[in-house]
Amino acid sequence: DVKVTQSSRYLVKRTGEKVFLECVQDMDHENMFWYRQDPGLGLRLIYFSYDVKMKEKGDIPEGYSVSREKKERFSLILESASTNQTSMYLCASSFIRQGSNQPQHFGDGTRLSIL
Amino acid sequence: GQQVMQIPQYQHVQEGEDFTTYCNSSTTLSNIQWYKQRPGGHPVFLIQLVKSGEVKKQKRLTFQFGEAKKNSSLHITATQTTDVGTYFCAGRESGGSYIPTFGRGTSLIVHP
Repeated sequence: DVKVTQSSRYLVKRTGEKVFLECVQDMDHENMFWYRQDPGLGLRLIYFSYDVKMKEKGDIPEGYSVSREKKERFSLILESASTNQTSMYLCASSFIRQGSNQPQHFGDGTRLSIL
Repeated sequence: GQQVMQIPQYQHVQEGEDFTTYCNSSTTLSNIQWYKQRPGGHPVFLIQLVKSGEVKKQKRLTFQFGEAKKNSSLHITATQTTDVGTYFCAGRESGGSYIPTFGRGTSLIVHP
């Protein structure tokens, strides 16, 4: 069974701090994603990566960056945390198939609070 | 860019009643996926529809993909308390990015 593991379930940080959220998947998936989930807004894509060292901006990349140095690991970085980045962050992974998107497998999420 | 609208945002039902959530895209889709997120949990993939007019069933759940491939629905017959959660559709734009766009979800509340 696919396992996507996020490093922290809950995290509290202060405004201005640099914050790292880590995600690891064990199924050799090419694609990895970072979403934030806010009430009434659904899942909004921040960044995704389709290969090591490759990254693409999603719908709301401002204030975030990502790193993918190894295939199994995808990190989300908040360069200077702000209170409006308080949210639930979800990591997901999936295979690539020619001409088709595959089901995404999600981690349990990190509930991040910025004070 | 592509937009995926999902309605209603919330739905309260009595246990045993039916439930339907609708997903509409501003553009033609190559496929659509449905996910369920239980309270406190993470989204879990349910099904993917690819063909125009496709209908698939999973026990009490019926998924449909419209003939024009711009809309989809999920229907639950005789809801149970175990159906509680938020249901998301995710549509991939035909000829566009292979990354799907998620709808905002429909939260189903089942009253015993």
